[in-house]
Amino acid sequence: AQSVTQPDIHITVSEGASLELRCNYSYGATPYLFWYVQSPGQGLQLLLKYFSGDTLVQGIKGFEAEFKRSQSSFNLRKPSVHWSDAAEYFCAVGSYNQAGTALIFGKGTTLSVSS
Amino acid sequence: DTAVSQTPKYLVTQMGNDKSIKCEQNLGHDTMYWYKQDSKKFLKIMFSYNNKELIINETVPNRFSPKSPDKAHLNLHINSLELGDSAVYFCASSHAGGGRGNEQFFGPGTRLTVL
Repeated sequence: AQSVTQPDIHITVSEGASLELRCNYSYGATPYLFWYVQSPGQGLQLLLKYFSGDTLVQGIKGFEAEFKRSQSSFNLRKPSVHWSDAAEYFCAVGSYNQAGTALIFGKGTTLSVSS
Repeated sequence: DTAVSQTPKYLVTQMGNDKSIKCEQNLGHDTMYWYKQDSKKFLKIMFSYNNKELIINETVPNRFSPKSPDKAHLNLHINSLELGDSAVYFCASSHAGGGRGNEQFFGPGTRLTVL
């Protein structure tokens, strides 16, 4: 069965420090992977996505993620965290049929940023 | 310009009542979804519609009935509300067609509280 695991429930990072959020997936074929961010009381915004090609994917707000098939991972990184990055981060894998994609989400990682 | 909108944003109601949540997208997408986010922030697909046709129907109680009057709208009607229905409900939309490039755009969510 398809699944996504985000091992870290809550991470605190100092402002200006680097960030890595972990994501592991289970999927039978080539996965389509996504990272979404949810700010408090808001909807979900797509940070980046991986479908094929270059395994290092650049996204919005200075985020990047690296797809590693051998490790079934798609970790999110940012070199320098800003206070405004504090939010909930969700990794997801796309489960497909001909009509569309149902996203299977991990349980999320809460990012806190300390000054 | 709102891409995916939901009404209402907040919904507080008594057990046993019937309520509806409306969703509209102006992105020209042909696939729409309902996701449920529980109190632990876990997101799970409920329904998916493509061109007004139900495609995905996860193990959701029959009390939940989605209705799509046209491609731009997907409403969620809930009968006989129960305490466990309290959650945030997100509407999303995307293009269909095998999943490639099919980013899902999410609405701001509707927080349903059942008393």
